[in-house]
Amino acid sequence: EPEVTQTPSHQVTQMGQEVILRCVPISNHLYFYWYRQILGQKVEFLVSFYNNEISEKSEIFDDQFSVERPDGSNFTLKIRSTKLEDSAMYFCASSGRTQITYEQYFGPGTRLTVT
Amino acid sequence: GQQLNQSPQSMFIQEGEDVSMNCTSSSIFNTWLWYKQDPGEGPVLLIALYKAGELTSNGRLTAQFGITRKDSFLNISASIPSDVGIYFCAGRPTTGNQFYFGTGTSLTVIP
Repeated sequence: EPEVTQTPSHQVTQMGQEVILRCVPISNHLYFYWYRQILGQKVEFLVSFYNNEISEKSEIFDDQFSVERPDGSNFTLKIRSTKLEDSAMYFCASSGRTQITYEQYFGPGTRLTVT
Repeated sequence: GQQLNQSPQSMFIQEGEDVSMNCTSSSIFNTWLWYKQDPGEGPVLLIALYKAGELTSNGRLTAQFGITRKDSFLNISASIPSDVGIYFCAGRPTTGNQFYFGTGTSLTVIP
């Protein structure tokens, strides 16, 4: 069964540092997403990406965040200057093969701890 | 953003019992997804619903897309210990492809 993978599983960084979270979506999926989940809270949408550009983003996804698909397999989320409140689980998801489907499959997440 | 309220917030049930939970919104949604999340892991997709009134099953799980399009329901029959986890609904509004997640229902199954 194909699955979404994410690296690293846990990232610890100091406030103000840049971090890059990596994801490998399911092969041949066309739509990619990043979500975050603060400990004990609900999952929150950050951004969706299709055809090499952002298709939607939430108010959380400010100028400190960026996404990129640098090659045919990886999908990355960059936080330029981390803040304490960026500490959360970050989940990548992908959906859609040949046409848009809304069934999003999540990776195992990266736990980001900002100290 | 959209608010999705899940009820109940938590449930403690005996193994073998049936479980019902729901998700409500003040807005109309076009798609409902139900996920299960184990501690420290990513949400796992259980069921997807696309039309008002639709009833879909996945093993012991059954979910329904509410007629008003403002709610959805998930039922688990004959619960077992591995059903333990947090269940999230996610809804897609009438415009855009963004999904909004509910507040979650924590399920504990007592053997």
